Amino acid sequence: GQQLNQSPQSMFIQEGEDVSMNCTSSSIFNTWLWYKQDPGEGPVLLIALYKAGELTSNGRLTAQFGITRKDSFLNISASIPSDVGIYFCAGRIGSTFIFGSGTRLSVKP
Amino acid sequence: EPEVTQTPSHQVTQMGQEVILRCVPISNHLYFYWYRQILGQKVEFLVSFYNNEISEKSEIFDDQFSVERPDGSNFTLKIRSTKLEDSAMYFCASSDLAGGHTGELFFGEGSRLTVL
Repeated sequence: GQQLNQSPQSMFIQEGEDVSMNCTSSSIFNTWLWYKQDPGEGPVLLIALYKAGELTSNGRLTAQFGITRKDSFLNISASIPSDVGIYFCAGRIGSTFIFGSGTRLSVKP
Repeated sequence: EPEVTQTPSHQVTQMGQEVILRCVPISNHLYFYWYRQILGQKVEFLVSFYNNEISEKSEIFDDQFSVERPDGSNFTLKIRSTKLEDSAMYFCASSDLAGGHTGELFFGEGSRLTVL
């Protein structure tokens, strides 16, 4: 089946630093979504991307839909302690949304 | 703001017992999903549901699992005879994918299932 490779698996950064994570696949996706999950809660949608090459921002977050439609990245600028959590990418093929394995972000004040 | 709601938030059951997890998707959404997340692992697709029938399902969604939309608002996941390895967080999600919408996926808060 389709698989998304998300990296890095985890990141330990200092408050104020920028963060970058990405997802790649051998499959072509119609939509890329980025989520944040806090412990014990459901994933919360951060950014949705619909077209190849699209670059979208949501506050300090910026994400791009790769030109080949097989990859996407998420950048977080000037990280703050509340950015801590697990970030997931998700790609849509047809009506199915497939998730990456997550990037666990830790931010040191 | 419309949201996906799930009940119960936590259920503890004995191995072999039947469990029903309930969800109320966002009211104008047409696609409904169940996902599973074992502690510390990725979110895994179980099944999607559209127009009162299963649209797609994964290898995880075997004969022990079933879904139903018993009325106009609820969407349920039934596990017929629970196994220890069914212990996980189960997330319901819904999407406005149909009807020309581009499709965003919104999750509920999850139901934690513990099988003893």
